[in-house]
Amino acid sequence: QEQLVESGGGVVQPGRSLRLSCAASGFIFSNYGMHWVRQAPGKGLEWVAVVSYDGSKKYYADSVKGRFTISKDDSKNMLYVQMNSLRVEDTAVYYCAKWGVYYGMDVWGQGTTVTVSS
Amino acid sequence: EIVLTQSPGTLSLSPGERATLSCRASQSVSSSYLTWYQQKPGQAPRLLIYGASTRATGIPDRFSGSGSGTDFTLTISSLEPADFAVYYCQLYGSSSWTFGQGTKVEIK
Repeated sequence: QEQLVESGGGVVQPGRSLRLSCAASGFIFSNYGMHWVRQAPGKGLEWVAVVSYDGSKKYYADSVKGRFTISKDDSKNMLYVQMNSLRVEDTAVYYCAKWGVYYGMDVWGQGTTVTVSS
Repeated sequence: EIVLTQSPGTLSLSPGERATLSCRASQSVSSSYLTWYQQKPGQAPRLLIYGASTRATGIPDRFSGSGSGTDFTLTISSLEPADFAVYYCQLYGSSSWTFGQGTKVEIK
């Protein structure tokens, strides 16, 4: 079945960098765009970034633009987000999600936790 | 930037009751761009409805979506114990995605 597994979360100091990974299986990864979505503790969902199926288009939320970079490696069925200049407010559970039918996200990973703290 | 507003913030109902959740956009949008999710504590969100009214694979028919323009509704016809959760609407627009703040459906 279709599955996404995130990794790479942890505790990091403000201003430092972290790269999250998402391993995809059970579907043709190269055919789909992919998203990162985050959820701060006790808060709602916030869309972070999307990459098109072929990697040619990338869009970001204003809150992360210029600091985060999304990418996908179809040869490895992997999605990434490079997070630089991390801020306390970036603390959240980060989910990767598959761009499914229409504009929804039909497969989600279990999430990986990022804590930005001094 | 389009703003999504969900109401109510919390809905207190008993099993078997009907739940009606609202999602309002700050300007008219295409129904194709409106999606609903369910999230239970400690779990990832689950896709319920896409294109405002189409149930995702495996979603029971007690869940239905409707609406157009600026006003969209998620209806759960008869609440089951597994349905008590937080529900989010989501909108695509101008190469970005926006979530509503969520409606919590809790047991009364």
